[in-house]
Amino acid sequence: QKEVEQNSGPLSVPEGAIASLNCTYSDRGSQSFFWYRQYSGKSPELIMSIYSNGDKEDGRFTAQLNKASQYVSLLIRDSQPSDSATYLCAVKKNTGNQFYFGTGTSLTVIP
Amino acid sequence: EPEVTQTPSHQVTQMGQEVILRCVPISNHLYFYWYRQILGQKVEFLVSFYNNEISEKSEIFDDQFSVERPDGSNFTLKIRSTKLEDSAMYFCASSVDSTGYNSPLHFGNGTRLTVT
Repeated sequence: QKEVEQNSGPLSVPEGAIASLNCTYSDRGSQSFFWYRQYSGKSPELIMSIYSNGDKEDGRFTAQLNKASQYVSLLIRDSQPSDSATYLCAVKKNTGNQFYFGTGTSLTVIP
Repeated sequence: EPEVTQTPSHQVTQMGQEVILRCVPISNHLYFYWYRQILGQKVEFLVSFYNNEISEKSEIFDDQFSVERPDGSNFTLKIRSTKLEDSAMYFCASSVDSTGYNSPLHFGNGTRLTVT
C-alpha cells in the first residue's frame, strides 16, 4: 500500500472554475499535511500546510483535512492559467523525519 | 525570504565517476534532506540529516551514497560510482524541526544529474 495516493490526472478545468485535488494517506498516525505546486522542471513550492481537521483557507486556496477518512484535499478557486502545474500532496508521520510524497496530480487550466 | 541554494544546477558525468552535489540550507533550519525525482516520477526520499549525523535513510540510499556537512553552512551528497539509473533531479530541502507542525520542507532549485 502506498503511503500517499493521488490521482495522477490530468485534470483540466476552465479558467475561473474551481479545481479540486484529492489525496489519501495510509498511516492513521500522520499529523502534518502539505500541498506543494511543481512547475515542469522546477522544484516543489509550498502552497499550504494543514494539521487539524477541517478547512484552512489562504487566498484562493483551501485545504481540507479529514483524519477519520485519511483524506486531504486542495481546492483552488477562480483557477488561472498560471495555476497549471503538478500538485503534490505530502504527509509527515508521527514518527521519523521523512515527508512522504504522492505522485502528484497534473492540473491544466484552460483559458 | 531565505532560501535553500543548490549547486550546480546541472551536472553531466560519465558512468562510474564520483559526483558531489552541494546545498546550503536555510540558516536557522536544523533538519536537512536529500530527495530525488526521476523524470516523470514521484519525489523520493533519500536521507535526512540532523545534528551532524544521518537520522533516517531510504533503501535507495545505499553504500554508493554519502552525505556530509563539512562546515557550518554546506550540506553535500556524494555518489561514489554513478550509474545510468542515478540520472535524476536531486533536491536538497531543509526544515526548522522534525515535528512537521509549522515546519514544512523548503526545497532548493535542484541539481539535474545526467549520467552518460
